[in-house]
Amino acid sequence: SQQGEEDPQALSIQEGENATMNCSYKTSINNLQWYRQNSGRGLVHLILIRSNEREKHSGRLRVTLDTSKKSSSLLITASRAADTASYFCATDRAQKLVFGQGTRLTINP
Amino acid sequence: DAGVIQSPRHEVTEMGQEVTLRCKPISGHNSLFWYRQTMMRGLELLIYFNNNVPIDDSGMPEDRFSAKMPNASFSTLKIQPSEPRDSAVYFCASSPPWTDEQFFGPGTRLTVL
Repeated sequence: SQQGEEDPQALSIQEGENATMNCSYKTSINNLQWYRQNSGRGLVHLILIRSNEREKHSGRLRVTLDTSKKSSSLLITASRAADTASYFCATDRAQKLVFGQGTRLTINP
Repeated sequence: DAGVIQSPRHEVTEMGQEVTLRCKPISGHNSLFWYRQTMMRGLELLIYFNNNVPIDDSGMPEDRFSAKMPNASFSTLKIQPSEPRDSAVYFCASSPPWTDEQFFGPGTRLTVL
């Protein structure tokens, strides 16, 4: 079964609004990563948060990690049409990454 | 800098044919990963190499699939014989020794008729 499970599966918002995606996982981790995939492209790394970190920022991205609840969230502020993509969380397990099914984000102009 | 390079970008073949997918990782990266992505199963890790040595091939679906990494700059994923259910996008990714971040190639879209 997937280590990471994203929620919601799909999200559609208006440009300028904030988008929040969640990820839950089952076992203990060293770190959690978020990736973006544009249609027909490979995945692009967005941000990595370690198990001893609770929050991390990168530009308009904010990631939180709650190891007690085994969950993480990705917040994209002031969304743009170019943010339309699928977003995946990935957790490390035995030197490899296990990806969730992803959240498909659509930003409407 | 060139990213991860995959070839071909698209492959259409008939059932029973041999298919070879190629990957050139980023120079200096010592880990290489092969993934398969489908709508039904999402992104699955097939096999990964560390310093050209296969570490975990538990994701390889069956004996029809094989992967090699003869040197630090080249890897192949071979399917022989191919079947329609192998149709998917196959990604190669590489990772440097100082981070767990993976860098993905553009993928090969395989269609087996």
